[in-house]
Amino acid sequence: DVKVTQSSRYLVKRTGEKVFLECVQDMDHENMFWYRQDPGLGLRLIYFSYDVKMKEKGDIPEGYSVSREKKERFSLILESASTNQTSMYLCASSLGVAGGYTFGSGTRLTVV
Amino acid sequence: DQQVKQNSPSLSVQEGRISILNCDYTNSMFDYFLWYKKYPAEGPTFLISISSIKDKNEDGRFTVFLNKSAKHLSLHIVPSQPGDSAVYFCAASAMGGSARQLTFGSGTQLTVLP
Repeated sequence: DVKVTQSSRYLVKRTGEKVFLECVQDMDHENMFWYRQDPGLGLRLIYFSYDVKMKEKGDIPEGYSVSREKKERFSLILESASTNQTSMYLCASSLGVAGGYTFGSGTRLTVV
Repeated sequence: DQQVKQNSPSLSVQEGRISILNCDYTNSMFDYFLWYKKYPAEGPTFLISISSIKDKNEDGRFTVFLNKSAKHLSLHIVPSQPGDSAVYFCAASAMGGSARQLTFGSGTQLTVLP
């Protein structure tokens, strides 16, 4: 069964901490994405990657960075966590066609 | 500026009746549309899609309709079942760029009452 796996379901971090959210897919997909989901705002794209070591900003990249050193792994980094980054974070992957994404189960991050 | 809008945050229907979820978009470059379903504490799962060259796509109890002139699509679920209760996201995609990105709406919480 193909999967997108996010390393943590729930995380609580302190303001100012550096936070790493990890995502691994086993489908050999080229494209990987990080979204955040907030009530009333839907899913908003933070960053995406279309190849190893390649990345592009999405709609809300401020305060975030990403790393893709291997095809199967895409990491989201909060350089200095802030309370307004409390959210549900969703990783997804896809092939290079519009067949839709496969999502992970999400990481609920709370910054206190 | 939201390019994909779901104006109804919630919808309640009786079991066995039809559920109609609506979605509007503003970007005329969108050429592929999808619906995702999301249960609490899970990631969204793909439900059904439609290309802009079609105006209808059907898969079992789920049908998506696309009206390009009105920039409107809808998802029909017939008959609705309690297990359909979830948040439904509409998404749209445009050709071009380095990767196909999906732009999502804000979601509609569907509750199917037994």
